[in-house]
Amino acid sequence: GEDVEQSLFLSVREGDSSVINCTYTDSSSTYLYWYKQEPGAGLQLLTYIFSNMDMKQDQRLTVLLNKKDKHLSLRIADTQTGDSAIYFCAENRASGGSYIPTFGRGTSLIVHP
Amino acid sequence: NAGVMQNPRHLVRRRGQEARLRCSPMKGHSHVYWYRQLPEEGLKFMVYLQKENIIDESGMPKERFSAEFPKEGPSILRIQQVVRGDSAAYFCASSRPRLAGDYNEQFFGPGTRLTVL
Repeated sequence: GEDVEQSLFLSVREGDSSVINCTYTDSSSTYLYWYKQEPGAGLQLLTYIFSNMDMKQDQRLTVLLNKKDKHLSLRIADTQTGDSAIYFCAENRASGGSYIPTFGRGTSLIVHP
Repeated sequence: NAGVMQNPRHLVRRRGQEARLRCSPMKGHSHVYWYRQLPEEGLKFMVYLQKENIIDESGMPKERFSAEFPKEGPSILRIQQVVRGDSAAYFCASSRPRLAGDYNEQFFGPGTRLTVL
């Protein structure tokens, strides 16, 4: 099976909260990441969480980490149409002085008025 | 400060031809990573390079694919004798050397979309 799993689609109404869930397998990941990809563009790091934390808040974004269940979630408060994009969850592994992310297949977030 | 540059943005090749994809990292970044994104899938790691060295090529197909990051100039991902299954978006990312406690952000380019006819 895939190392990182996430649901493929999420549809929300503008102004509601969005919650994107992810499960991962590598318990040695030092960091876990959420990336955003807009149409025709590369990925952009949205936020990350250190593995010894269980929550991180950054403006409208809240990341929750449950290490026991290897479950990561991203909550976007007051979702806007500009938030429509594909969101990728990623675990990481160490390699030669860097970290290599392993990505899920991405969750397409569709925000409708 | 220019971001990661990739060219060409779109590349069309016929089966059996060679494809060369270029990536110029952000200024000050000495680490380059290549990823492939097949339709409807996430990004899959291919190779990680530092100047003149391949550090991790665990995601590279064993045949027809090669990568380099010379002392001067961009990083090149080369695909020889392309087949239809090579059609994908190829993304390059770059980063600084990782410091202790650093989450090691990778900055991604816009990608090269390769179509093999």
